[in-house]
Amino acid sequence: TQLLEQSPQFLSIQEGENLTVYCNSSSVFSSLQWYRQEPGEGPVLLVTVVTGGEVKKLKRLTFQFGDARKDSSLHITAAQPGDTGLYLCAGRPLYKLIFGTGTRLQVFP
Amino acid sequence: NAGVTQTPKFRILKIGQSMTLQCTQDMNHNYMYWYRQDPGMGLKLIYYSVGAGITDKGEVPNGYNVSRSTTEDFPLRLELAAPSQTSVYFCASTRTAGDTEAFFGQGTRLTVV
Repeated sequence: TQLLEQSPQFLSIQEGENLTVYCNSSSVFSSLQWYRQEPGEGPVLLVTVVTGGEVKKLKRLTFQFGDARKDSSLHITAAQPGDTGLYLCAGRPLYKLIFGTGTRLQVFP
Repeated sequence: NAGVTQTPKFRILKIGQSMTLQCTQDMNHNYMYWYRQDPGMGLKLIYYSVGAGITDKGEVPNGYNVSRSTTEDFPLRLELAAPSQTSVYFCASTRTAGDTEAFFGQGTRLTVV
């Protein structure tokens, strides 16, 4: 059972467009993380959100943690080709570290 | 700093063969994890360890075994390889069980034919 469901699974957009990726669960998490993975590499941490309702910004990327701490979103403003990659949310039920189903983003020039 | 090192990077196995994927980290992290990633998908947790001598099953442990005799090393053993085990395997480590960053190795691409 995958506890973290992401949508959409695939996203193909033109440079300059905005987009939002969602990470949803029926479980409450003490924190959620977002990672980005490029081909042939392991995931790299983008951000950790720890408080319900929290909003964090990383340049053109805005991350939000849901008030009930069951979901999170990643919004990218004015996407660039360099944003292309696989975006993964992650959470910790007890001592495990589990990942979402992933959203593959492709940004065309 | 080496971080998390996985070997080998690529391997082709025949059905029924066995192998060990090696993972070592030099950050003195207590928590280590093994994942598999199928094409275009997220990571599925195979096994994890909270410290030397302690391991536990993740989401997809069948067909795999692990051991953790030292803090640094966390090898993953595949017994009787099957085509369904064709995947990319990632090892990761974290300092604590909290909201700390996970550091990943470069992955091992395994094909079972």
